Order: sequence, then structure tokens, then C-alpha cells
Amino acid sequence: GQQLNQSPQSMFIQEGEDVSMNCTSSSIFNTWLWYKQEPGEGPVLLIALYKAGELTSNGRLTAQFGITRKDSFLNISASIPSDVGIYFCAGQLRETGANNLFFGTGTRLTVIP
Amino acid sequence: EAGVVQSPRYKIIEKKQPVAFWCNPISGHNTLYWYLQNLGQGPELLIRYENEEAVDDSQLPKDRFSAERLKGVDSTLKIQPAELGDSAVYLCASSLYGTVDSEAFFGQGTRLTVV
Repeated sequence: GQQLNQSPQSMFIQEGEDVSMNCTSSSIFNTWLWYKQEPGEGPVLLIALYKAGELTSNGRLTAQFGITRKDSFLNISASIPSDVGIYFCAGQLRETGANNLFFGTGTRLTVIP
Repeated sequence: EAGVVQSPRYKIIEKKQPVAFWCNPISGHNTLYWYLQNLGQGPELLIRYENEEAVDDSQLPKDRFSAERLKGVDSTLKIQPAELGDSAVYLCASSLYGTVDSEAFFGQGTRLTVV
């Protein structure tokens, strides 16, 4: 299967700090998506990116689709306790066009009040 | 509107026993997915349905896993016999269409423990 590597694996930050995480792949993806998963729940879509170079914001979240189509990053500004969870990047392969998602390994975020 | 509903939420079985998971997608969603999520990992696609047709089951271990979506609505994923390594969370998702711009919505998952 496709390998999507996320870094860092985990982060411990103080409330109010900004957070940055990224995702890299050896494959070119048609679409990059960022999901958040809380304990006992399924992943929830945060941001979807459809074009190389695209920069998209959703509230305090900003994500970018890398120019090479092989990477993406997610920034969270002014973190709050409810940002706690596991953040997954996911990609859709260029050649299939199908909605099959390949997920990264996840970044576990802990926000200390 | 109800989201993707999965049952049971938790299941504990002994190895070599059969187990089944049920998923009811969002009403009107044509595409249904089953994903496997091992502890500390991201979800991995097992099978994707377009209506009642399994259009991608390349990652489904067919020796012990089977799935069906008989009327193109709800779906069942079965494991027979279960092995210790099958302990994981099984996630169901649905989307309106199977195209890249059609958002997939996930259920809460079924956490399977095989002892």
C-alpha cells in the first residue's frame, strides 16, 4: 500500500501555542485531506485540498497542498484544549480518481491548559 | 440527519470464532467503505461499494473476510474464523458518490478484541 509519513508522531504544547505538522509521500496524490480523530470516534474531515500549491483555511486551521503533490502541512493557530486528538493526513491517488483514501500514520496532539 | 451508524460498538470474541459487523450509511449515499484501523495507525481501506457492487476489494483478505451490501444500503462485514491479529477498530464510511470531491463520513467504529 501507499506510505504516508507524518511528523511529528506526537506533540505536547501549551494552550495558545501554534502547531505545525506535515505529511510526506513517495507517491503523487490527486487530493490531500486532513482529518481529526478523537477517542472512540471515527475520523472527521477538517480540510480538503484539490490543487498543487493550494492554501486553504478553516477557522484556526490552515493547510497547504505541496507543489510536488507529494506533501502537505497543517497548521493550527492559538491552540485550545479541544484541539486534542490524532490528526491524520490522507491522500487520493492521481491515477484512480476514486475516493479511496490512503491515511498517514497520525500526529497525536496534546494541549496542556 | 443521522450519521453513519455502526454496531456493535465493542465486541470480544475467542479466536477461531466468527464475528460480524453492521453498518448503516447516511441516507442517499451511494458509496460505502470498510476500513481497518490497527492501534496507533491510520485507517486502511478493506473494500469499497458503489451501490451493491464491490468495486474495490483488493485489500480484503478473502480467505477469512467477507462483506455484503445486498440492497445497496446497509452492509455487513464478516470474519470467519477470527485470529488474534484481527483485533482492531473496523470503521465504516459513506459518501454521496465515489469520486474524489465527495466527502466521506465515518462511523464511530467497532472495536474488536480477539482473545
